[in-house]
Amino acid sequence: AQSVAQPEDQVNVAEGNPLTVKCTYSVSGNPYLFWYVQYPNRGLQFLLKYITGDNLVKGSYGFEAEFNKSQTSFHLKKPSALVSDSALYFCAVRDGDNQGGKLIFGQGTELSVKP
Amino acid sequence: GAGVSQSPSNKVTEKGKDVELRCDPISGHTALYWYRQRLGQGLEFLIYFQGNSAPDKSGLPSDRFSAERTGESVSTLTIQRTQQEDSAVYLCASSFTTPGTGGYTFGSGTRLTVV
Repeated sequence: AQSVAQPEDQVNVAEGNPLTVKCTYSVSGNPYLFWYVQYPNRGLQFLLKYITGDNLVKGSYGFEAEFNKSQTSFHLKKPSALVSDSALYFCAVRDGDNQGGKLIFGQGTELSVKP
Repeated sequence: GAGVSQSPSNKVTEKGKDVELRCDPISGHTALYWYRQRLGQGLEFLIYFQGNSAPDKSGLPSDRFSAERTGESVSTLTIQRTQQEDSAVYLCASSFTTPGTGGYTFGSGTRLTVV
C-alpha cells in the first residue's frame, strides 16, 4: 500500500528566510510525486510534480522540490519565504507503474511566515 | 469546461437525510477522484474512477456512501442517512490517465454540514 508522511503539522519561518516542508513516501512502483497548496477557504492549487527526469523540480511561486530516491523523500523548498506563502501544503504520491494507480495525500503541513 | 465544477458549493442537511453531490470534470479527463476533508485535517481518499475500469472504492467509509460516474463525464457522490460526522468539505479532482503539466485539477468543493 502506498502512503505519504508529512512529519510536521506546522512550520514557522521568518519572512526572507529559506523554508522547507518535509515529505516522505512509500510506494511499490516508481513514484509520481506532487505538491499542492491550499489557501484559506480556497481549493487546492497545483505547485509542482515529479514524474521522471531531474531530481530537482521547479514549480509555481518560486517553490522547488528535490526527489531523493534513497531517502524516499520529496521535500518542498523555497529560498526566501514570503508572508503570502502562509497556507496549508499537501504532498501526494501515486504509483507511476500502475495506470490505474490512485493519488494519496499526506495530512498536510501548515506553513506560517511571519514578517 | 475550463475547470472542475462542483455543486452545490454549500449544503446544510438534517441528520438522517440523503444528499447528492455533483462533480463535472474537465472535458477529456479520464480519471476522477472524490476526497473528504474534515475541518483542519488532510484529504481522505474516498473513491477513484479511471476510464471504463471498475472504480476503486477502497476509501468509502461505510455503505452509506456511494458514487457513480457515467463514462468520462459527470460523477455524483451520494451519502445516505447522513450523520454529523459526515460534515466536511467534499473535493473532486480530475486528470488525464497520466497527469500532465498541471497535475490533478481540483474543484472548489462542496461544504456539507449535517445538523
